[in-house]
Amino acid sequence: EVQLVQSGAEVKKPGESLKISCKGSGYSFTNHWIGWVRQMPGKGLEWMGIIYPGDSDTRYSPSFQGQVTISADKSISTAYLQWNSLKPSDTAMYYCASLYNSRWGVWGQGTPVSVSS
Amino acid sequence: EIVLTQSPGTLSLSPGDRATLSCRASQSVSSTYLAWFQQKPGQAPRLLIYAASSRATDVPDRFSGSESGTDFTLTISRLEPEDFAVYYCQQYGSSPYTFGQGTKLEIK
Repeated sequence: EVQLVQSGAEVKKPGESLKISCKGSGYSFTNHWIGWVRQMPGKGLEWMGIIYPGDSDTRYSPSFQGQVTISADKSISTAYLQWNSLKPSDTAMYYCASLYNSRWGVWGQGTPVSVSS
Repeated sequence: EIVLTQSPGTLSLSPGDRATLSCRASQSVSSTYLAWFQQKPGQAPRLLIYAASSRATDVPDRFSGSESGTDFTLTISRLEPEDFAVYYCQQYGSSPYTFGQGTKLEIK
């Protein structure tokens, strides 16, 4: 079964760092783009950026450039989304998705992140 | 950046009705890279339509997609109770990728 499994819920304080993960299985993780999507409470979906695990080619949406870091470790079929200094406005659900078979049909279950003092 | 504008914001219909959801792009979008997603509360988005008109795996044939220039449409021919959800269009042909703001399909 082709699937993405994300790391668990996080509760953090402003200024703290965080790295969440997205592990692929059942397909060639290296050869398909992975994307990250933010959904703030009660709001719509926002593309954050994408990474090609094979060579770590990474592209950020302008709103997220400089705010987060997307990376991948192809040896363990895992992509990451990282913050150096969290803000309360980073509170959201974060999804990863794979461009498997040229369509964004495989999604992780989501990682809720809560940032509050 | 390509802006996708979905209308209406909320659509109130009854089971058995036909639903027509619109997605208008601010500039040309290749139909190859236009998708529709369904999202229910507490769930990840589910791909319904890709390449503007191709149904994803296990998607019922009451769902269909079409395009006309920069206008894309998702049609649900006969609503079932499980179809009431939020629907998003998405383009991934031009970086940065973008979503529409969503259409909430609610029970009348």
